[in-house]
Amino acid sequence: KAGVTQTPRYLIKTRGQQVTLSCSPISGHRSVSWYQQTPGQGLQFLFEYFSETQRNKGNFPGRFSGRQFSNSRSEMNVSTLELGDSALYLCASSLSNPGSHRAMNTEAFFGQGTRLTVV
Amino acid sequence: SQKIEQNSEALNIQEGKTATLTCNYTNYSPAYLQWYRQDPGRGPVFLLLIRENEKEKRKERLKVTFDTTLKQSLFHITASQPADSATYLCALDAQGSARQLTFGSGTQLTVLP
Repeated sequence: KAGVTQTPRYLIKTRGQQVTLSCSPISGHRSVSWYQQTPGQGLQFLFEYFSETQRNKGNFPGRFSGRQFSNSRSEMNVSTLELGDSALYLCASSLSNPGSHRAMNTEAFFGQGTRLTVV
Repeated sequence: SQKIEQNSEALNIQEGKTATLTCNYTNYSPAYLQWYRQDPGRGPVFLLLIRENEKEKRKERLKVTFDTTLKQSLFHITASQPADSATYLCALDAQGSARQLTFGSGTQLTVLP
């Protein structure tokens, strides 16, 4: 079974530009979460999607947005890039769904990440 | 405010010894606590999950304890090997769904041959 796939692996953008990152979850996983990882702040939750709807959102500005498609693939977009947006962006998928409180399968499967550098 | 701390940024131990990593949390009532391993330039990989009504969980050379009174989890690697060198992250999951994890800052473990 293929793991979580993120594209591209590396990206260099200029301040003020926008960027779109893609994530394909494990087949059968309908929940996709996004995280930002930086040396200073560590791994921070951005948002989570299930059935094409954003279910949870972290404490990030509105420049960070996402969406999920009917095949569970997800994209995140960052507009008006700032130098501080340079980070490893990680996507994770899981079998859990909003109706399965305290579900048995509660591990998150992460992709290899997209390394974004803003210059 | 909610806070999760892993008390050591870096830990060096000799091969064959037991590594013990600590995760403390405050202002949080987690349903689950998870431990992940992360190698440089790669995404975290799930290791173990422990529920709030469990005291201890084991998997091969790994052992996790969860003390909700102390608000602390300990992660042990016995008979450590150089291949165990990595960053270890604890994560709290209040919903018990792995859809919104709150991570500690990680402990970089180096096992010296």
